[in-house]
Amino acid sequence: DARVTQTPRHKVTEMGQEVTMRCQPILGHNTVFWYRQTMMQGLELLAYFRNRAPLDDSGMPKDRFSAEMPDATLATLKIQPSEPRDSAVYFCASGLVSGSLGTGQYFGPGTRLTVT
Amino acid sequence: QKEVEQNSGPLSVPEGAIASLNCTYSDRGSQSFFWYRQYSGKSPELIMFIYSNGDKEDGRFTAQLNKASQYVSLLIRDSQPSDSATYLCAAHTGGFKTIFGAGTRLFVKA
Repeated sequence: DARVTQTPRHKVTEMGQEVTMRCQPILGHNTVFWYRQTMMQGLELLAYFRNRAPLDDSGMPKDRFSAEMPDATLATLKIQPSEPRDSAVYFCASGLVSGSLGTGQYFGPGTRLTVT
Repeated sequence: QKEVEQNSGPLSVPEGAIASLNCTYSDRGSQSFFWYRQYSGKSPELIMFIYSNGDKEDGRFTAQLNKASQYVSLLIRDSQPSDSATYLCAAHTGGFKTIFGAGTRLFVKA
């Protein structure tokens, strides 16, 4: 049963510290997405990749967030320095896009980040 | 600003009834539409996708798309208490970007 995996599942850190979240997409999927979810803002798209190339990261605060996909089995989201307002659940999702149509995204379990 | 709008609910229906969830989208260039279910404390789970005008059925779920009205809906037949969750509508726009609605909370009363 293919699944998206994310680590860590929970992270508590102090303001100013670096946070790195990792994601292993489903093998064969050609798109990877990073989302942030809070009660107030709902599900926000931070960045996405197609065939490992970043297509859009306009949803991310550029000065502190960065997203990379060093290989097909690993996507990373880094926050440096972290701030209390970054506290949220961060989801990674992967999907398969053919032409201009997608068949949906499969979400990982999420990383619950708390910045104190 | 490309948007997907949903009524936040909560929508409450009795067990066995049909639950009707609705969504509108602003980008006429959207080509793929999705429904996700999210239980509290869990990640969104894909239920269905639809590309063409009309209905698409999968078990107890039917997705409906009307591109002229920019309207997507999800019908859940024979609703069960286990269907109680937040349902997210999403539109896949040009450039493979997906815009999610804020979700509708559904309660199915036993």
